[in-house]
Amino acid sequence: EIVLTQSPGTLSLSPGERATLSCRASQSVSSNSLAWYQQKPGQAPRLLIYGASIRATGIPDRFSGSGSGTDFSLTISRLEPEDFAVYYCQQFHNSPFTFGQGTKLNIK
Amino acid sequence: QVQLVQSGAEVKKPGASVKVSCKASGYTFTGYYLHWVRQVPGQGLEWMGWINPNTGGTIYAQKFQGRVTLTRDTSINTAYMELSSLRSDDTAVYYCVRIQLLGLLKRFDPWGQGTLVTVSS
Repeated sequence: EIVLTQSPGTLSLSPGERATLSCRASQSVSSNSLAWYQQKPGQAPRLLIYGASIRATGIPDRFSGSGSGTDFSLTISRLEPEDFAVYYCQQFHNSPFTFGQGTKLNIK
Repeated sequence: QVQLVQSGAEVKKPGASVKVSCKASGYTFTGYYLHWVRQVPGQGLEWMGWINPNTGGTIYAQKFQGRVTLTRDTSINTAYMELSSLRSDDTAVYYCVRIQLLGLLKRFDPWGQGTLVTVSS
């Protein structure tokens, strides 16, 4: 099973700042098979990024994904109030399709 | 638009079973695999398995083997997740989600709204 480790667990920033979230895999993952999701309280996860770097439809361009192999990251260039949520990475490289434990982005 | 609508919240006793439905609309139901993911309150996301709505073929995560059954009814574009021998630690929100394959790319989109299953005596 591929284990995804996200860091930090919690990130406290202010609107307008830049956020960088990390996702490290226990073994190499194809870039085609790495996705990021945003989840707000009481809501289902929402697809942000797939293929490590491709924004899903309707996702603002302040969100960007990058990385390869075992190290991936999600960057939010300038935080908006609605961006404060929990973010999960996920791999489709091998079954079971595991998720990271999440990074909670808090308003400072 | 593409939508997955799940059945309502359930309260079950330990040892019972629960069956959650997931009705698809806005696309060809048999054209996309459906996966199930659960989330224990306050915790992360856990993948449970998938069903091929065209053939009925299934794959389950090892953790849930023997307790989970995924089925579908193509006449009403609905998939089902049944979990048996419920325990208190099965209390969670259960999501169905469609997987899209775009060449070599994969993505989970959209997600159902989630169904809270509470296991309590």
